[in-house]
Amino acid sequence: GAVVSQHPSRVICKSGTSVKIECRSLDFQATTMFWYRQFPKQSLMLMATSNEGSKATYEQGVEKDKFLINHASLTLSTLTVTSAHPEDSSFYICSVRGNEKLFFGSGTQLSVL
Amino acid sequence: SQQGEEDPQALSIQEGENATMNCSYKTSINNLQWYRQNSGRGLVHLILIRSNEREKHSGRLRVTLDTSKKSSSLLITASRAADTASYFCAPNTGNQFYFGTGTSLTVIP
Repeated sequence: GAVVSQHPSRVICKSGTSVKIECRSLDFQATTMFWYRQFPKQSLMLMATSNEGSKATYEQGVEKDKFLINHASLTLSTLTVTSAHPEDSSFYICSVRGNEKLFFGSGTQLSVL
Repeated sequence: SQQGEEDPQALSIQEGENATMNCSYKTSINNLQWYRQNSGRGLVHLILIRSNEREKHSGRLRVTLDTSKKSSSLLITASRAADTASYFCAPNTGNQFYFGTGTSLTVIP
């Protein structure tokens, strides 16, 4: 299966700053990556589908100007939380689809003070 | 909605017992997958069952699928403390995967 590396694993930032999360597919060329968000004891919410070389597809209710996604290569997708606020504090996880399955990164816990 | 809904929300059992969790969904599917999530980590794929399959085994895991009832079950036999995690089903209809709230399983040593 695909190996997905996600960094950082944890980030604490001040309100108003921007935070970039990287997702790398180490052994698989991923034309598509997915970004999820998870609140404590809740479901994973699909935020957007990241497409290599083109614009991301955002799920309904997700602000594309708030959550900037860049998928510049077949192995790297980034999610930037712009002007972060405390309500953006959450667990963000990326995944890659391979052989009909999803392979996930280890997640990023974002805490906005 | 394309997501699955797991039941029960929480399950606590003694080590060695079997754990059964269920998944219901609403749309036609290509396959249904089960994933596991340890606290604070990403999800790990456990097993995939196709729409034309009724039962599948993988080690201590047994998955059933009833497309007429739009439901699936995951059975973990001879549970271990290390099986403590959240389990999610993902009915797959296309490119995206939508997850429910999962079943939180606690296996007591």
